[in-house]
Amino acid sequence: QQPVQSPQAVILREGEDAVINCSSSKALYSVHWYRQKHGEAPVFLMILLKGGEQKGHDKISASFNEKKQQSSLYLTASQLSYSGTYFCGAHGGSQGNLIFGKGTKLSVKP
Amino acid sequence: ETGVTQTPRHLVMGMTNKKSLKCEQHLGHNAMYWYKQSAKKPLELMFVYSLEERVENNSVPSRFSPECPNSSHLFLHLHTLQPEDSALYLCASSGQGWGTEAFFGQGTRLTVV
Repeated sequence: QQPVQSPQAVILREGEDAVINCSSSKALYSVHWYRQKHGEAPVFLMILLKGGEQKGHDKISASFNEKKQQSSLYLTASQLSYSGTYFCGAHGGSQGNLIFGKGTKLSVKP
Repeated sequence: ETGVTQTPRHLVMGMTNKKSLKCEQHLGHNAMYWYKQSAKKPLELMFVYSLEERVENNSVPSRFSPECPNSSHLFLHLHTLQPEDSALYLCASSGQGWGTEAFFGQGTRLTVV
């Protein structure tokens, strides 16, 4: 079952923060976050595993609440290079079964 | 460069044609995927191969036929496609299990005329 992402789109000024949410109606074993720029392949950002962990990568971090079956991606002090579509991928434990949400389009303006 | 190579990058085909998309990875991964990405639609999982065996087929029409001859190569054979099949077809690979990241190829932009 496809995870639900919110918001669908967000526009930021450089330096502003944003949060992208991903929720699933099914139990999650892991949540993957990817960013895709126009005309390019999705690029891996991070994986969060079952256990409620939080991860960070430069000014992009994420949390995973397995009880709520939710993950959030936090972008702080956004840069122009953060623009793109962010996808969360939910892994329900089935072998090789990574289902992506519809994506959140992030636009960072100068 | 992600280590996953797709060819061709662009393909225009008629509805009666038969063509194949190719995906190759030398990352040592043993799971490979085909995704379809249309305008305004999410990444739709089409096929998953794990250890060269098809694990999942998400009700994809039979005009799409995957083939995985070995763990490094994945094909998508196309025949009698419809215009609505025009999309970006992405291949990805990963290690086993749900804790490993997927690496995507650049995709094949398919146009059915």
